[in-house]
Amino acid sequence: DAKTTQPPSMDCAEGRAANLPCNHSTISGNEYVYWYRQIHSQGPQYIIHGLKNNETNEMASLIITEDRKSSTLILPHATLRDTAVYYCIATGNTGKLIFGQGTTLQVKP
Amino acid sequence: DAGVIQSPRHEVTEMGQEVTLRCKPISGHDYLFWYRQTMMRGLELLIYFNNNVPIDDSGMPEDRFSAKMPNASFSTLKIQPSEPRDSAVYFCASSPGYTQYFGPGTRLTVL
Repeated sequence: DAKTTQPPSMDCAEGRAANLPCNHSTISGNEYVYWYRQIHSQGPQYIIHGLKNNETNEMASLIITEDRKSSTLILPHATLRDTAVYYCIATGNTGKLIFGQGTTLQVKP
Repeated sequence: DAGVIQSPRHEVTEMGQEVTLRCKPISGHDYLFWYRQTMMRGLELLIYFNNNVPIDDSGMPEDRFSAKMPNASFSTLKIQPSEPRDSAVYFCASSPGYTQYFGPGTRLTVL
């Protein structure tokens, strides 16, 4: 599975969009980009995933660059409950998830 | 659906004791994963099963750890004997294919 690189921490004002970047420059053609988050003391929660097209669901949007070497998770209107560690993972057909250190997003009032 | 169920939620034991953690996956999910999370090492994959068969146990730290999945609705992770360095939160996750759904975790403290 390709290595991913994320900033260790970010802040966002409540009600504003949170844009979380991820680099995955060695991603291979069959690897998906997955995003999970972990709110304090809870199990990780699936957010969204994509292969090469941009994706949107009720939680977030995922923008993947055309060369697939990076992506951005967008939380359109961040709330205090979105404060969490966000993990970007590139994974192939094994289904294994290798978690890095993620980005700690602090949403501030 | 109740989601992935883990028990117990908290376990405190003494060094040398056997510890058994339990997991009930989401019905219909073919994959089951066990993870361990510590401050030092983050979230680590220990082992995963596909259709009750262990596929990859390369993350199991040592022979003191064992995992079983006797049927599609139940899995156990056993530590015998337990050591203080095994103190961590242990998560179970299940998946129908790629997306994994995590349980609430078991917080294990070994004194």
